[in-house]
Amino acid sequence: DAKTTQPTSMDCAEGRAANLPCNHSTISGNEYVYWYRQIHSQGPQYIIHGLKNNETNEMASLIITEDRKSSTLILPHATLRDTAVYYCIVRVAGDGKLIFGQGTELSVKP
Amino acid sequence: EAQVTQNPRYLITVTGKKLTVTCSQNMNHEYMSWYRQDPGLGLRQIYYSMNVEVTDKGDVPEGYKVSRKEKRNFPLILESPSPNQTSLYFCATHSESSYNEQFFGPGTRLTVL
Repeated sequence: DAKTTQPTSMDCAEGRAANLPCNHSTISGNEYVYWYRQIHSQGPQYIIHGLKNNETNEMASLIITEDRKSSTLILPHATLRDTAVYYCIVRVAGDGKLIFGQGTELSVKP
Repeated sequence: EAQVTQNPRYLITVTGKKLTVTCSQNMNHEYMSWYRQDPGLGLRQIYYSMNVEVTDKGDVPEGYKVSRKEKRNFPLILESPSPNQTSLYFCATHSESSYNEQFFGPGTRLTVL
């Protein structure tokens, strides 16, 4: 079973920041938080990952709470092409299996 | 260009007719996996391989076989397909050194009548 809880769906206005929350209250000390997204029936795409520090790359920022029980993915300036299902996954680094939950369906609207 | 390719992309077949879905990667990755995606059930891992000649079952291996004779290829074999194997299938790869990021293929939509 997925170890994360995410809202089923969210809307965001184009150009605004999209903040996608994820709860992972049972996360272990050696488990990382990963985010992937899937644009309508395409293969999932890696976005970002982190252990306990906040992370930023060219796609997004990841904010992890100090107790590591939750995190937020931030898309700073959402575009229509960011409309997708976003998956928050926790796993031990090096473990080949990704356990996908239901994810959050993000709709970016003009 | 780094690529994971799957063939065929779409397939309609009948119950019991053996089929193979191929997966090939050009990134020299050690790890390869197969997932299936079904509405309401998310993506579930079928089989994975950590290197040539090393394979192991994932969460839903029943009815499937795999082989890893070469590093770049990881075919998924359905010896006797059944309608409950109608699904969207994805192949994924990652290297031992960059285990953070898995690369997924474009998907194969299979319908078994």
